[in-house]
Amino acid sequence: GQSLEQPSEVTAVEGAIVQINCTYQTSGFYGLSWYQQHDGGAPTFLSYNALDGLEETGRFSSFLSRSDSYGYLLLQELQMKDSASYFCAPNSGNTPLVFGKGTRLSVIA
Amino acid sequence: DAGVIQSPRHEVTEMGQEVTLRCKPISGHNSLFWYRQTMMRGLELLIYFNNNVPIDDSGMPEDRFSAKMPNASFSTLKIQPSEPRDSAVYFCASSFREGEAFFGQGTRLTVV
Repeated sequence: GQSLEQPSEVTAVEGAIVQINCTYQTSGFYGLSWYQQHDGGAPTFLSYNALDGLEETGRFSSFLSRSDSYGYLLLQELQMKDSASYFCAPNSGNTPLVFGKGTRLSVIA
Repeated sequence: DAGVIQSPRHEVTEMGQEVTLRCKPISGHNSLFWYRQTMMRGLELLIYFNNNVPIDDSGMPEDRFSAKMPNASFSTLKIQPSEPRDSAVYFCASSFREGEAFFGQGTRLTVV
């Protein structure tokens, strides 16, 4: 079967760094995607890790450890506009991009 | 490209009526996904097509739901008969590369 865990809510201060963790169990695992969704909007792609290690894209970085079935999204220099829901989504052969309830990030001044 | 196009953006219907949601994926994308999003259940994958062929429909809640992809540029999700518990935002997404999908703006369905 499949399972996916990430915190439901995270609050952080503007300018700070926040890490959103994700653990998963997926058969036939290929890689881990991260998506951002603002209230009332559609999910938008942030990053994809097919290999172990850290991928950096501007203020956002994503990490994957395949042996631990674990990944995280790191957001640096937080801005108010980063307040949104963040989803990790394991990718596998026949059931790609399975999302869950996501993590709601609130950035406060 | 205009991105993934979904119609209608909003739909209000009475219980028991048939509802058809439409999606035009990005040209050249070979994968298409239908998702349903609610507060209680999050973003659920309903069905996944690859090259117009349904690969995994295990997420389709019950026989009232059906999806088709008659060609590479069009897909429909039909609910017949609709029920109040089907009220949700339905997203269509398309992809040409592993892990990266582009979502439409969604259809907000309300069944009263």
